[in-house]
Amino acid sequence: DGGITQSPKYLFRKEGQNVTLSCEQNLNHDAMYWYRQDPGQGLRLIYYSQIVNDFQKGDIAEGYSVSREKKESFPLTVTSAQKNPTAFYLCASSISTGKTLHFGNGTRLTVT
Amino acid sequence: DAKTTQPNSMESNEEEPVHLPCNHSTISGTDYIHWYRQLPSQGPEYVIHGLTSNVNNRMASLAIAEDRKSSTLILHRATLRDAAVYYCILASNNAGNMLTFGGGTRLMVKP
Repeated sequence: DGGITQSPKYLFRKEGQNVTLSCEQNLNHDAMYWYRQDPGQGLRLIYYSQIVNDFQKGDIAEGYSVSREKKESFPLTVTSAQKNPTAFYLCASSISTGKTLHFGNGTRLTVT
Repeated sequence: DAKTTQPNSMESNEEEPVHLPCNHSTISGTDYIHWYRQLPSQGPEYVIHGLTSNVNNRMASLAIAEDRKSSTLILHRATLRDAAVYYCILASNNAGNMLTFGGGTRLMVKP
């Protein structure tokens, strides 16, 4: 079955550590995205990539970094510079930007 | 960016129709109206989208006002599994355009 896989589902880290969240898709989509969701809130765009080896900052990119070396993969690193990293992180893909989004089931990151 | 306004929450009884409203008075001519829903602890899933005409699919119907300044997502018979947050989003079909999620409407379904 085609889809988006995010791993792990739950992740715990100590403050000051960088952590990388995995996102893989086998939908052959060009565009991929990372969103952050805080409790009771909507989704906010962190980074997006329209094509391999290219990515752009979204609305809240500070303290995050990404890479897009392969079409299938778009990992997100939450760095120690991110002041409030505890959140639910969602990865999505689409055929191209502006088209229907397909989401993974998210990674819930807790930093203490 | 054109914005949408949705009620924070709505309640429905099981097996009754549900009409979820969305206002988008600043919609532009190229903006499509998208609806997604998010079940608890899951990623959002696509429900339906349209431009001008009403749309139907197996999940829901989308009724778009003639002036396109509002739309309504219709669930014909709500089930407990329809309890979710429903997001109404505007997006042009152009490459480079992002879908921006607001707070959505939390739908509660009572048995």
